[in-house]
Amino acid sequence: SQQGEEDPQALSIQEGENATMNCSYKTSINNLQWYRQNSGRGLVHLILIRSNEREKHSGRLRVTLDTSKKSSSLLITASRAADTASYFCATLKDQGGKLIFGQGTELSVKP
Amino acid sequence: GAVVSQHPSRVICKSGTSVKIECRSLDFQATTMFWYRQFPKQSLMLMATSNEGSKATYEQGVEKDKFLINHASLTLSTLTVTSAHPEDSSFYICSARDQRKSNEKLFFGSGTQLSVL
Repeated sequence: SQQGEEDPQALSIQEGENATMNCSYKTSINNLQWYRQNSGRGLVHLILIRSNEREKHSGRLRVTLDTSKKSSSLLITASRAADTASYFCATLKDQGGKLIFGQGTELSVKP
Repeated sequence: GAVVSQHPSRVICKSGTSVKIECRSLDFQATTMFWYRQFPKQSLMLMATSNEGSKATYEQGVEKDKFLINHASLTLSTLTVTSAHPEDSSFYICSARDQRKSNEKLFFGSGTQLSVL
């Protein structure tokens, strides 16, 4: 079963707008990661936030983590058409290093 | 950053044939690699963990005789879909972690789209 659930499942915005995606998870975590997947391709790691962190920035990306609510959000500011992709959150299943992915949000940024 | 190469990118085969997918870590050694499966518009489902020099560990519900995994070297893991059937058609993705580094992120291959006729 999937560890995380994400919403919205799909998001369509205009270039320049901000995009916010949310992720909820079920078990305790050491960290939560966000990945991006272009259609028909592998995944690319975007950002990792540790359980003792509440917010993290990387370029136009801002990630928050609320361990009390078991949720995280990914904000992409000033979106571009090239940001069009699916975005997944992921958490470690166990000590074996296995990553379990959420359902993903399909983001479409229209020029 | 670390590079994971996956081949082939696309396979079309007849029902009943076996298909081998290769996953290579190009600039690092990976004692562990992970194989995922993804259906259209869905998330990645972890299939198995490939361990160099030992047997793979499979997730619940994944048939180990159907999906053979071999991790013969520190840079290569292979997934063989045996006697493939149309329901095995899917996007298969491998990943590995660069254990030289302390972070926990995964590097992914570009995926293999398998279509079984």
